[in-house]
Amino acid sequence: GQNIDQPTEMTATEGAIVQINCTYQTSGFNGLFWYQQHAGEAPTFLSYNVLDGLEEKGRFSSFLSRSKGYSYLLLKELQMKDSASYLCAVMDSNYQLIWGAGTKLIIKP
Amino acid sequence: IAGITQAPTSQILAAGRRMTLRCTQDMRHNAMYWYRQDLGLGLRLIHYSNTAGTTGKGEVPDGYSVSRANTDDFPLTLASAVPSQTSVYFCASSDGQDNSPLHFGNGTRLTVT
Repeated sequence: GQNIDQPTEMTATEGAIVQINCTYQTSGFNGLFWYQQHAGEAPTFLSYNVLDGLEEKGRFSSFLSRSKGYSYLLLKELQMKDSASYLCAVMDSNYQLIWGAGTKLIIKP
Repeated sequence: IAGITQAPTSQILAAGRRMTLRCTQDMRHNAMYWYRQDLGLGLRLIHYSNTAGTTGKGEVPDGYSVSRANTDDFPLTLASAVPSQTSVYFCASSDGQDNSPLHFGNGTRLTVT
């Protein structure tokens, strides 16, 4: 079967750095997405990786290793507004998105 | 403001009743999707449409139907609601390219009693 694994919950301190990991086992790979979802709101797109390496977008970076079936989302200079769930999703060989259950990130002052 | 509009925002529905969740987008996206989101689970695809006039089944289609009469609208119908359909429902759209992100509506919180 297809599987996406993410930690259920993480806690970090305002101003610090946090890394949210995502491991996947899917039938084929056509890209990996990260989304942010604040409580009670819709998911919003953060990043897309299809090649190995690091993609940087301001305070957020996303890394992919296709050989290891692994990605992480790195958040720097954490702010209270970064408290949210972070969803990892992989596009399989049929171009269907497989979603992880999400990681709830709690930021403490 | 361009985007996706879902209605209603929330609904309490008696089991056995019929319900249609509405979804409209004004971005002229070809592809549209219906997902349900339940605590502890990833988003699960119910139905999708790659272009107006076509629809397909997702991971959890049973008990749901959709139509795509035009580009903008993609309603989801529960013919006879059951308590297991209590969930948050998100409509999403994309331009259909492989690396295009999904744009989500604000969701409909449905409770079936």
